[in-house]
Amino acid sequence: DAGVTQSPTHLIKTRGQHVTLRCSPISGHKSVSWYQQVLGQGPQFIFQYYEKEERGRGNFPDRFSARQFPNYSSELNVNALLLGDSALYLCASSLEGQSNQPQHFGDGTRLSIL
Amino acid sequence: GEDVEQSLFLSVREGDSSVINCTYTDSSSTYLYWYKQEPGAGLQLLTYIFSNMDMKQDQRLTVLLNKKDKHLSLRIADTQTGDSAIYFCAEIFSNDMRFGAGTRLTVKP
Repeated sequence: DAGVTQSPTHLIKTRGQHVTLRCSPISGHKSVSWYQQVLGQGPQFIFQYYEKEERGRGNFPDRFSARQFPNYSSELNVNALLLGDSALYLCASSLEGQSNQPQHFGDGTRLSIL
Repeated sequence: GEDVEQSLFLSVREGDSSVINCTYTDSSSTYLYWYKQEPGAGLQLLTYIFSNMDMKQDQRLTVLLNKKDKHLSLRIADTQTGDSAIYFCAEIFSNDMRFGAGTRLTVKP
């Protein structure tokens, strides 16, 4: 069975541009979460979605937005990119987003801002 | 403090046991997790423990939880070179998962 898949794997953008990252959850999983992992640090929570509704939001500016589609896949959008947005963006899925349901991660999208 | 804390580095010899420690922040956290990250990859779920448990064993992995001190540890028995990676502990906080900065485990032959 396929795990969490993310695309693209790598991306290079310049300051001020916008970017869209995509995630497909494990089949049967209805909840998707997004994390930002800066080099040398642990992942930081950005969003959680369940059944197309935002269930949680981390401490990120409004330049970051996301949505979930009827097939439970998700997109993360970042506008007006800054150098500090360079990071590995991880998507994780779980059955229903409950705390007792482990989150399973994809391999991430590595975003570099020049 | 507000951060999940881990020591940054651990070096062991192949065949020895490794113990990775973590201090978490929220005594009401219901589940605590250990993830492994190899270079260029995402996070691989290793194991997790419910907060009403003191210990959980899964093959070479043993998790110990001291809820009073909010201390979590991961013991890897018979550590192999393939165990070299960064290990993250994480707690569930509200609707999100909070991670430590990770412990880089180096296994020397």
